[in-house]
Amino acid sequence: DQQVKQNSPSLSVQEGRISILNCDYTNSMFDYFLWYKKYPAEGPTFLISISSIKDKNEDGRFTVFLNKSAKHLSLHIVPSQPGDSAVYFCAASANTGNQFYFGTGTSLTVIP
Amino acid sequence: DAGVTQSPTHLIKTRGQHVTLRCSPISGHKSVSWYQQVLGQGPQFIFQYYEKEERGRGNFPDRFSARQFPNYSSELNVNALLLGDSALYLCASSFGQFYNEQFFGPGTRLTVL
Repeated sequence: DQQVKQNSPSLSVQEGRISILNCDYTNSMFDYFLWYKKYPAEGPTFLISISSIKDKNEDGRFTVFLNKSAKHLSLHIVPSQPGDSAVYFCAASANTGNQFYFGTGTSLTVIP
Repeated sequence: DAGVTQSPTHLIKTRGQHVTLRCSPISGHKSVSWYQQVLGQGPQFIFQYYEKEERGRGNFPDRFSARQFPNYSSELNVNALLLGDSALYLCASSFGQFYNEQFFGPGTRLTVL
């Protein structure tokens, strides 16, 4: 069973606009969440994380929002740049934080 | 500083064979995790090793095993290969065992014929 879901396989956004990538989870024990970016032929690269004691975390152009009651998190990229074009994975962990469950990924294309 | 390295890059095996994949973590990192990523899916957790001991295991059969060496490098072994084992195998290292940012290697692409 897929405990972390990314329901949008792909997303296209104009350069300079906001990209919003969504992620839903089913396990209420998840308390630590991460976003990764993956280019072809490379391993995932860590972007940003958030723990369940927060509802927002910001790092430059990237902001992650967590809505625990809805079991939903989102990644906002503002402004979007062509170099942001990649597959984005969200991942979640429960309690111990040593086993991460990944979503299926969203392929973002930023159009120049 | 060198990132996480994995070898080999690509591998082709036939059903029933055995395979060993290798991972070297970032210098100073003591935790290594292994993931399997099949096409169109996200990475699935297989194992975590920390300080040379298994600290976590995902839902994979006993054909999958791993170990971590005193220098914190790690091997993933898969016995009696099945067609369904064809995937990208990713290794990730982190400094600590819990709640740590994981740094991924480029992966080993395994094809089972």
